[in-house]
Amino acid sequence: EPEVTQTPSHQVTQMGQEVILRCVPISNHLYFYWYRQILGQKVEFLVSFYNNEISEKSEIFDDQFSVERPDGSNFTLKIRSTKLEDSAMYFCASRRDRGQHNEQFFGPGTRLTVL
Amino acid sequence: SQELEQSPQSLIVQEGKNLTINCTSSKTLYGLYWYKQKYGEGLIFLMMLQKGGEEKSHEKITAKLDEKKQQSSLHITASQPSHAGIYLCGAEYAGNMLTFGGGTRLMVKP
Repeated sequence: EPEVTQTPSHQVTQMGQEVILRCVPISNHLYFYWYRQILGQKVEFLVSFYNNEISEKSEIFDDQFSVERPDGSNFTLKIRSTKLEDSAMYFCASRRDRGQHNEQFFGPGTRLTVL
Repeated sequence: SQELEQSPQSLIVQEGKNLTINCTSSKTLYGLYWYKQKYGEGLIFLMMLQKGGEEKSHEKITAKLDEKKQQSSLHITASQPSHAGIYLCGAEYAGNMLTFGGGTRLMVKP
């Protein structure tokens, strides 16, 4: 069964460093998302991406964050200068289309630790 | 107040017992998702509900959507240790993204 994959599973970085989190969405899906979950807190929406551009973003998704679909399969989240508070589990999700019977499927997550 | 409230926050049940988890929205729902998460892991899709009164089942898990109350319930029949985990409801409103509840941590005692 097709699934969303994410790499790496764990990433440790120093404050101020840039990180790139990678995702391979399900192949025929058109909508892509990033969410994050700080330890012990709710899953929070960061950004959605459709037709090679950002369609929606939350307040969390400030200028330090960017997303890209560099080729036909990968979807990346870049954090330019990491802060301690960026430590969280980052989930990628994808969806074939909007509307009925089009579920969002999540990847296993990347645990980011900023020291 | 929170947009999406889940209750209870945690639940301990004896194996074989039935249980219900609720998710209530303060706004009109476009869709309601249920996911299961094991601690520190990804979200496993369980069910998606869109129409008022819709009910879906998968194995021993049934979810219903009450459009009037803007509420969904997840019911597990004859719980097993494999049902243990964190159950999350996610609401789709006008936008394309999901807003999540705080989760219900379920423990099943053998």
